[in-house]
Amino acid sequence: DAGITQSPRHKVTETGTPVTLRCHQTENHRYMYWYRQDPGHGLRLIHYSYGVKDTDKGEVSDGYSVSRSKTEDFLLTLESATSSQTSVYFCAIRVGVNTEAFFGQGTRLTVV
Amino acid sequence: DAKTTQPNSMESNEEEPVHLPCNHSTISGTDYIHWYRQLPSQGPEYVIHGLTSNVNNRMASLAIAEDRKSSTLILHRATLRDAAVYYCILRGSSGNTPLVFGKGTRLSVIA
Repeated sequence: DAGITQSPRHKVTETGTPVTLRCHQTENHRYMYWYRQDPGHGLRLIHYSYGVKDTDKGEVSDGYSVSRSKTEDFLLTLESATSSQTSVYFCAIRVGVNTEAFFGQGTRLTVV
Repeated sequence: DAKTTQPNSMESNEEEPVHLPCNHSTISGTDYIHWYRQLPSQGPEYVIHGLTSNVNNRMASLAIAEDRKSSTLILHRATLRDAAVYYCILRGSSGNTPLVFGKGTRLSVIA
């Protein structure tokens, strides 16, 4: 499983509250990603990182921010959660330039 | 990102080979072809990838057309555990280029 841990695995939160999801890896890989998956959609890229403090936006980045202050942790923050952000969130890491990516087990977030 | 086109769904009988097609007519010379699959209630998992030549691993084979405008993922003997959504993805060779998923093909395997 490439040592990826997502936390929490499940969370219910209220609209307007801040939420932070954590992706932790144990192997010091450079590339990390956050995706969301909703019924009827495949995975959509939110943000990604290619090194400490190096991040970039994906296709659905509005309403989300990320931080990567150390190699092993990539944090996804919803500054003010909305019901449209109810989703399953997946973190992924990639070992090298043209190698495979490994995905976490997902975090199911419900915003009520 | 270069786009891929896959059938929405396919069905296979257990223990028979499965050929999952992917069209990518706008592929560039440096795009790698990646395949991932997602089992129910799990994160995606890597299956195989290639650039120009056909590739084999313990999970599957990847057949790439000579003009690289299409490819086929081959599962040699489908099992019930292979029922999943299969994603064909093009990814440029730059290290910072992420994987961008489409909707994939939902494979059903019938016992």
